[in-house]
Amino acid sequence: AQSVTQPDIHITVSEGASLELRCNYSYGATPYLFWYVQSPGQGLQLLLKYFSGDTLVQGIKGFEAEFKRSQSSFNLRKPSVHWSDAAEYFCAVGAYGSNFGNEKLTFGTGTRLTIIP
Amino acid sequence: GAVVSQHPSRVICKSGTSVKIECRSLDFQATTMFWYRQFPKQSLMLMATSNEGSKATYEQGVEKDKFLINHASLTLSTLTVTSAHPEDSSFYICSAGGQGEGNSPLHFGNGTRLTVT
Repeated sequence: AQSVTQPDIHITVSEGASLELRCNYSYGATPYLFWYVQSPGQGLQLLLKYFSGDTLVQGIKGFEAEFKRSQSSFNLRKPSVHWSDAAEYFCAVGAYGSNFGNEKLTFGTGTRLTIIP
Repeated sequence: GAVVSQHPSRVICKSGTSVKIECRSLDFQATTMFWYRQFPKQSLMLMATSNEGSKATYEQGVEKDKFLINHASLTLSTLTVTSAHPEDSSFYICSAGGQGEGNSPLHFGNGTRLTVT
């Protein structure tokens, strides 16, 4: 069974500082990996995804993530955060080989990001 | 714009009544839709997979007679919470993906906040 661990429940970062959110996954084959952002009371917005190819993926809003198979990690990074980045961030893994677009995703528990002036 | 529309965004109902939540794919045909539940400050937990024209597949521990899912068309899936109780109060989110979407990600609705009084 697949699983996702986000070890940091809450992170506080100063505006303009760099950010790294950690994500580790467990899956027996090549995973599909996703990062989503959720504002309070809202649905999920996809930031970026990894399926294959270049292990450094670029997303929206200046985010990027790097897939490291040896570490089973897919950490999310941003060089300089903005106050509007404050939200909940979820890492998710989807089963490889499924009909893409119809994966059953397993989510991590999320990391809440707070930005201070 | 939103490609998955979820309605209503908020609903308050009395204990013992039933509530129907709709999830529509707006500009694509969704052969599969997923229903998630999210408790406050927690991650999304998959409840069931809704397949167009066939019975939904429920995750372990989810009562299929309580959470009725209907996916009668390629653009609409509904989740009905029957005989709702206060413990059913939660945030429900649907996601949808269609066949042949290639590398397109799953699309999420904005969620429905259910409060049972």
